[in-house]
Amino acid sequence: DGGITQSPKYLFRKEGQNVTLSCEQNLNHDAMYWYRQDPGQGLRLIYYSQIVNDFQKGDIAEGYSVSREKKESFPLTVTSAQKNPTAFYLCASSAIQGDRQPQHFGDGTRLSIL
Amino acid sequence: AQSVAQPEDQVNVAEGNPLTVKCTYSVSGNPYLFWYVQYPNRGLQFLLKYITGDNLVKGSYGFEAEFNKSQTSFHLKKPSALVSDSALYFCAVRDGGTGFQKLVFGTGTRLLVSP
Repeated sequence: DGGITQSPKYLFRKEGQNVTLSCEQNLNHDAMYWYRQDPGQGLRLIYYSQIVNDFQKGDIAEGYSVSREKKESFPLTVTSAQKNPTAFYLCASSAIQGDRQPQHFGDGTRLSIL
Repeated sequence: AQSVAQPEDQVNVAEGNPLTVKCTYSVSGNPYLFWYVQYPNRGLQFLLKYITGDNLVKGSYGFEAEFNKSQTSFHLKKPSALVSDSALYFCAVRDGGTGFQKLVFGTGTRLLVSP
């Protein structure tokens, strides 16, 4: 079955530590996205990538970094500069950025502070 | 810039009754509208979309939505609710123009269906 796999499901970060969230898709989609979900705030866009080796900042990119070295993979690093990282992080993909087709989502990673 | 409003934080309905989850939007061009459902600790699942054509859109699990351009609304409906429909529902919109247009989500509406 095609889909998006996010790992780990739960992640704990210590003070001053960088952590990396994995996102892999086998849908052959060009575009990939990272969202942050906080209670009562809906989803906010962190970064997106329309093609390999290219990515753009979303609305809340500060304290985060990404890479897109392979079409299937779009890892997100939450750096120590992100002072309030506790949230549910969702990765998504779509066939072509801006296409009429919906985005497909992984099952998320819940990040908490130790 | 595009925006979405879901005016109700929670909707309560009895099983077997019809349900409506409200959504209004704002875009500068033609809207592409989507509904997603989220179950606890899961990602979002696509339910239905409106791009163009008939104003009544049918989707997964018996859900449908009606696009109303004059009221800039895209309310989600189901004729007969099930307890298993209880979940968090998100409306989303993107502008149908060229170039990158991000998908903007509402804050979500929790649907609670009682037996």
